[in-house]
Amino acid sequence: AQSVTQLDSQVPVFEEAPVELRCNYSSSVSVYLFWYVQYPNQGLQLLLKYLSGSTLVKGINGFEAEFNKSQTSFHLRKPSVHISDTAEYFCAVSRPSGGYNKLIFGAGTRLAVHP
Amino acid sequence: DTAVSQTPKYLVTQMGNDKSIKCEQNLGHDTMYWYKQDSKKFLKIMFSYNNKELIINETVPNRFSPKSPDKAHLNLHINSLELGDSAVYFCASSQDGSGYTFGSGTRLTVV
Repeated sequence: AQSVTQLDSQVPVFEEAPVELRCNYSSSVSVYLFWYVQYPNQGLQLLLKYLSGSTLVKGINGFEAEFNKSQTSFHLRKPSVHISDTAEYFCAVSRPSGGYNKLIFGAGTRLAVHP
Repeated sequence: DTAVSQTPKYLVTQMGNDKSIKCEQNLGHDTMYWYKQDSKKFLKIMFSYNNKELIINETVPNRFSPKSPDKAHLNLHINSLELGDSAVYFCASSQDGSGYTFGSGTRLTVV
């Protein structure tokens, strides 16, 4: 079975500073990896995903993530955050297995950007 | 056009009532899901249907009954609502697990 651990429940950061949100996963088989963002009182929006190929994945809003198979990690980074990046961020894993796949989420990291 | 739409957006109801949430996707995906997000923001899968067939049921109480009349629709009916059912419910769809599209959520409040 797969599982996801987001190591920080909250990350405070000042505007224009860099940020890294950490995610580790556990799986005995190959996986797909995702980062979603949830703004207050809104739904889930896909930031980026890793399916295969290049381990550095670029997403929307200037975010990127690096897949590290040996460390089973998929950390999310942004070089300079804005106030508008304040939101809940979820790392998730899925097993590519036809119709029997499901998305398993980490507990989420609240990113709070301060002026 | 909204890819995954669910209604209603908000639902306030009394304990003991029965309510339904509807979900429709126009992406042509074969698999649809219901997720529950609790007050601590934790997202947990409840059900999954593939081409109208139930394939995942994650130890959800019998009071919750999903129904899929066709592969574009997955509705969630909840009987005898309890306070603990208060949450945000998200519908989602996927074709092959390489991408999941979520609806905007239904905030259910049981009073």
